[in-house]
Amino acid sequence: QKEVEQDPGPLSVPEGAIVSLNCTYSNSAFQYFMWYRQYSRKGPELLMYTYSSGNKEDGRFTAQVDKSSKYISLFIRDSQPSDSATYLCATKTQGGSEKLVFGKGTKLTVNP
Amino acid sequence: NAGVMQNPRHLVRRRGQEARLRCSPMKGHSHVYWYRQLPEEGLKFMVYLQKENIIDESGMPKERFSAEFPKEGPSILRIQQVVRGDSAAYFCASSLKLAGEDTQYFGPGTRLTVL
Repeated sequence: QKEVEQDPGPLSVPEGAIVSLNCTYSNSAFQYFMWYRQYSRKGPELLMYTYSSGNKEDGRFTAQVDKSSKYISLFIRDSQPSDSATYLCATKTQGGSEKLVFGKGTKLTVNP
Repeated sequence: NAGVMQNPRHLVRRRGQEARLRCSPMKGHSHVYWYRQLPEEGLKFMVYLQKENIIDESGMPKERFSAEFPKEGPSILRIQQVVRGDSAAYFCASSLKLAGEDTQYFGPGTRLTVL
């Protein structure tokens, strides 16, 4: 079983739709959870960073972590064509290695 | 405020040659991480370095790969005797790693093609 599972999609939605992206993880030692956005042929860019369970909101983006079910989500409201990218979830443990463990990424296309 | 810089952006090597990938961290950052992204795969951790020290190399292949982060100059990821399976995008990230701030910021990547 992979440490972090993420549906690669692709996911195609109309402009203005609410997008839900999800990952599951297997290691209960993961304490930090991140979402990165990666445009084609570019490096990943940090979108959201959360610690432990709960919600975090930043503009149109909401990150949600449910440690009891080992499930992490990213919601994008009022999606825009400029949101078209690959979204990567990532986790790491607390106090251990600094390495990030990534999901495979979900490719999102928002159609105008 | 320049971000993480990597060069070259594209590198083509023939099988058996050496590849050297360079990474200059963000200003003030002394922690560097290398990741590899194979086609249709997620990013995989390779190595974590501080100045003059390798902290975690658990993701590095045992042979042909090495990394350094000298006191002066960029971090270098070196791949000796490249094979076709080394073709991938290699990303470097850096962090400040002070209390409460350990975000890893990624560079644009080096795309290595082995012919």
